[in-house]
Amino acid sequence: EVQLVESGGGLVQPGRSLRLSCATSGFTFENFAMNWVRQAPGKGLEWVSGISWNSGRIGYADSVKGRFTISRDNAKSSLYLQMNSLRAEDTAFYFCARGNDYSVVSHSDYWGQGTLVTVTS
Amino acid sequence: IQMTQSPSSLSASIGDRVTITCRASQGISNYLVWFQHKPGKAPKSLIYAASSLQSGVPSKFSGSGSGTYFTLTISSLQPEDFATYYCQQYSDYPHTFGQGTKLDIK
Repeated sequence: EVQLVESGGGLVQPGRSLRLSCATSGFTFENFAMNWVRQAPGKGLEWVSGISWNSGRIGYADSVKGRFTISRDNAKSSLYLQMNSLRAEDTAFYFCARGNDYSVVSHSDYWGQGTLVTVTS
Repeated sequence: IQMTQSPSSLSASIGDRVTITCRASQGISNYLVWFQHKPGKAPKSLIYAASSLQSGVPSKFSGSGSGTYFTLTISSLQPEDFATYYCQQYSDYPHTFGQGTKLDIK
């Protein structure tokens, strides 16, 4: 069974940093691209960042470019999102999602349950 | 690439058939996925590659389109179908979403 479990969310002050993790199981992690998607309170889904199977292609939403860094550890079957210079508008549930194959051109077919990040002073 | 969904909200009755549209600001071939999202749950993929049914999803959901214009049709609405629906393009990064269509019971 494919499983994705996010962790690392919490309450943080503006300007500080937080690192999200996504532990996966039930599939060969190194064969799949991965994504982070978020949903702010009362808002729609927003794609945040994506990474190809070997980290050769990485992309970011304009809203987080230069502040967030996505990475993966294929040996640990884990995905990460380093979030720096956090702002109130980064407050959201953050979901980890698996691309359906190794490349950038893949849709998210399995999702975690999400972790809540709240940025407030 | 901007994705524009319409309508933003939709009221329908049990048994109705509804159609949601999604337009891309530039051609994306068929690299489009439709999601169903319910509060407190993970989004669920319904249709990928514009018209392919995700495994396990009932055939009451169907998708069509290519290039810049896409549709999601849901037939014979049941109570469990009332949710928010999103389109997303994945032709290249960033993988942008439409703003969502909230489907509720009339």
